[in-house]
Amino acid sequence: KAGVTQTPRYLIKTRGQQVTLSCSPISGHRSVSWYQQTPGQGLQFLFEYFSETQRNKGNFPGRFSGRQFSNSRSEMNVSTLELGDSALYLCASRFVGGRSYEQYFGPGTRLTVT
Amino acid sequence: DAKTTQPNSMESNEEEPVHLPCNHSTISGTDYIHWYRQLPSQGPEYVIHGLTSNVNNRMASLAIAEDRKSSTLILHRATLRDAAVYYCILLFGNEKLTFGTGTRLTIIP
Repeated sequence: KAGVTQTPRYLIKTRGQQVTLSCSPISGHRSVSWYQQTPGQGLQFLFEYFSETQRNKGNFPGRFSGRQFSNSRSEMNVSTLELGDSALYLCASRFVGGRSYEQYFGPGTRLTVT
Repeated sequence: DAKTTQPNSMESNEEEPVHLPCNHSTISGTDYIHWYRQLPSQGPEYVIHGLTSNVNNRMASLAIAEDRKSSTLILHRATLRDAAVYYCILLFGNEKLTFGTGTRLTIIP
């Protein structure tokens, strides 16, 4: 089974721009979660999507948004980029059902804002 | 959210067992104990989880105290590839994963 894939792997943007990151979950996984990882704040939950609906949301400003498509692929968008948005953005997919709560993470997208 | 407390760092010799502790004194009866690890330059990776009984899988063992206020992740024979940050997380149902600072495990050759 192919793992979680994220594109692009690296990205450099300028303050004020917007960016869209993509995540393809493992086949059969309908839940996709997004996390931000920075040296100062560690791993922080952004949001979770299940069946094209946002099911859970972390404490991030409205500049961070996401969506999920009918094939479970998900995108995350950050508008009006700030220097502090420089981070590793990770997505994780999960099979919903039964008693399995394991999340499978992708390699991440390294975003640098200059 | 119920909190967990882990040591910031630990060292172990290669090919020896490693015991990674986690305290969770405010755990509720329905919280599962999950362990994830993050190898350098990679996303986190699921290791193991349990509720009350000790659990074993191909990667590790999880020993849960009888009162569930603490648990220990056991790597039976550490290799250099086990060097990572290990996170102990309490989770109920479909809740989000809340990562703490974890334990940075260094393996000494």
